Amino acid sequence: GNSVTQMEGPVTLSEEAFLTINCTYTATGYPSLFWYVQYPGEGLQLLLKATKADDKGSNKGFEATYRKETTSFHLEKGSVQVSDSAVYFCALKGAGTASKLTFGTGTRLQVTL
Amino acid sequence: EAGVAQSPRYKIIEKRQSVAFWCNPISGHATLYWYQQILGQGPKLLIQFQNNGVVDDSQLPKDRFSAERLKGVDSTLKIQPAKLEDSAVYLCASSLPRQNTEAFFGQGTRLTVV
Repeated sequence: GNSVTQMEGPVTLSEEAFLTINCTYTATGYPSLFWYVQYPGEGLQLLLKATKADDKGSNKGFEATYRKETTSFHLEKGSVQVSDSAVYFCALKGAGTASKLTFGTGTRLQVTL
Repeated sequence: EAGVAQSPRYKIIEKRQSVAFWCNPISGHATLYWYQQILGQGPKLLIQFQNNGVVDDSQLPKDRFSAERLKGVDSTLKIQPAKLEDSAVYLCASSLPRQNTEAFFGQGTRLTVV
């Protein structure tokens, strides 16, 4: 079945550092890929998505590119802020209208001054 | 646009008791998901509905968990009897029935079984 593998956290960075959170996936066909974020005390919310190969999703300075050849969807941000501290989840939705949404285990990011 | 509504937000019960959670999805969203999120882990899909039919319940512990979605709108998830390992946040999400659309999540219900 489909699966998502994320790098383990926590990731601790100083403010203005460059961020990469790795995500690779296993799926049949051409899934859609998502990054969700969970801020402390809040629910899951969509950060960005990409629905076909070579698409780049972006939002709030975060970017991720759908790489079919390496089955990856790594999350990047050029300069993190303290307010980016949260747990980040990579997810995929398989092919078809009744497709399942499968999540990775999550990566906690802590940004310090 | 109203989001996904869940209740209650918190629940504490003793083991072997029963509990029910309620979810009201975004209007027009045919797909509804229930996830279990144990502390420090990613959400695990328990059951997925398309309208009022079950699409996937392969990871639902059917000896104790049940879910229904009457009239293809609201849904309830029940646990009976609860075990200590059921302590988790139960998330409801909804989406349009298309592969390229995201799911929208409710705030979740935090269940503590003591």
